[in-house]
Amino acid sequence: QKEVEQDPGPLSVPEGAIVSLNCTYSNSAFQYFMWYRQYSRKGPELLMYTYSSGNKEDGRFTAQVDKSSKYISLFIRDSQPSDSATYLCAMTGRTGGYQKVTFGTGTKLQVIP
Amino acid sequence: GAGVSQTPSNKVTEKGKYVELRCDPISGHTALYWYRQSLGQGPEFLIYFQGTGAADDSGLPNDRFFAVRPEGSVSTLKIQRTERGDSAVYLCASSPQGADTDTQYFGPGTRLTVL
Repeated sequence: QKEVEQDPGPLSVPEGAIVSLNCTYSNSAFQYFMWYRQYSRKGPELLMYTYSSGNKEDGRFTAQVDKSSKYISLFIRDSQPSDSATYLCAMTGRTGGYQKVTFGTGTKLQVIP
Repeated sequence: GAGVSQTPSNKVTEKGKYVELRCDPISGHTALYWYRQSLGQGPEFLIYFQGTGAADDSGLPNDRFFAVRPEGSVSTLKIQRTERGDSAVYLCASSPQGADTDTQYFGPGTRLTVL
């Protein structure tokens, strides 16, 4: 079993829809949770970062962490065609001063105009 | 300002050959990471440098893989006796200090194809 499980999709939604992306994890040592966006043939770009259970909002994006269930989510409101990309959940534990990040497989999202 | 750059963007080689992949981090970033991303997968950690030293190389798959960062800036990932299974996108990332809460900035990757 992988430490981080993520549905690879693809997920196709109409423009303006609310998108829900999810990951589960098994390693209780994970303390920091991130969502990255990766466009085709580009490197991942950090979208959201949180280190506690609860919600964190940034514009149209909301990250949710439930450590008791080992479950994290990313919600995208009013989705746009420019949101079409692969979304990677990522997490890391306390490694004494650096990030040894474990990524999910990524969910490919397509927003249809 | 300039982001992380990686060269070459694409590399095609034959099985058994030696390859070098280069990463130029953001100026002033002391932490540098290498990842490997296979098709349809997320990036997998390979190695972490803090300054010139490899602080964690636990992700290197075997002794055919080696990385250096002699002056604490540019890094080179070296793969000996390449195998078809080494085909992947090799990503480099840098961060200011390497702290738990730092943001890692990724380069565009080098797409390695081993024929």
